[in-house]
Amino acid sequence: AQKVTQAQTEISVVEKEDVTLDCVYETRDTTYYLFWYKQPPSGELVFLIRRNSFDEQNEISGRYSWNFQKSTSSFNFTITASQVVDSAVYFCALSVPGANNLFFGTGTRLTVIP
Amino acid sequence: DGGITQSPKYLFRKEGQNVTLSCEQNLNHDAMYWYRQDPGQGLRLIYYSQIVNDFQKGDIAEGYSVSREKKESFPLTVTSAQKNPTAFYLCASSIDSFYGYTFGSGTRLTVV
Repeated sequence: AQKVTQAQTEISVVEKEDVTLDCVYETRDTTYYLFWYKQPPSGELVFLIRRNSFDEQNEISGRYSWNFQKSTSSFNFTITASQVVDSAVYFCALSVPGANNLFFGTGTRLTVIP
Repeated sequence: DGGITQSPKYLFRKEGQNVTLSCEQNLNHDAMYWYRQDPGQGLRLIYYSQIVNDFQKGDIAEGYSVSREKKESFPLTVTSAQKNPTAFYLCASSIDSFYGYTFGSGTRLTVV
């Protein structure tokens, strides 16, 4: 069975602080993808990143970075120098071959206070 | 621009009525999905379709029905049998779920 856990339900930070959103996953498949999506107040889920199980290289995109560690089954997301526009709900998700589904965590609501 | 269009954005329904949510995509994706989102519960799969004229139940299909007569369209009907229909509904499409989804902007359904 597949499972994604986002233990942080809500996080508040002051603008310009760094913040890390945690994601822990469970799967017995050796081939899988991990995702992060952003859901702003408008409701649409916006794709941020996809990482396959064979690529543990960390990735940086502007103020966003992702740390993938298979040893701890984690795929954490860090926002550097947070901004008010980063306020949203962030979802981590997992896909495995043939499942016809993305397995989502329950999301972390991030509030950036000006 | 390619994308997924969901309509309406807000929908109000009286108890006992059926209501249909629209989802249209112009991404030429074969697969389409409906998810339900409730506060604090993440996204749960209602139905999915991998090809025209075929669809499968997801984890919470009871009280819902779908059709897939065209590749571009995957409407969801919330029937009166759905006991707690108030929620946010998201439609998605993909080449294959393994590679991730493109999502629509959602429909918020409220039963009054």
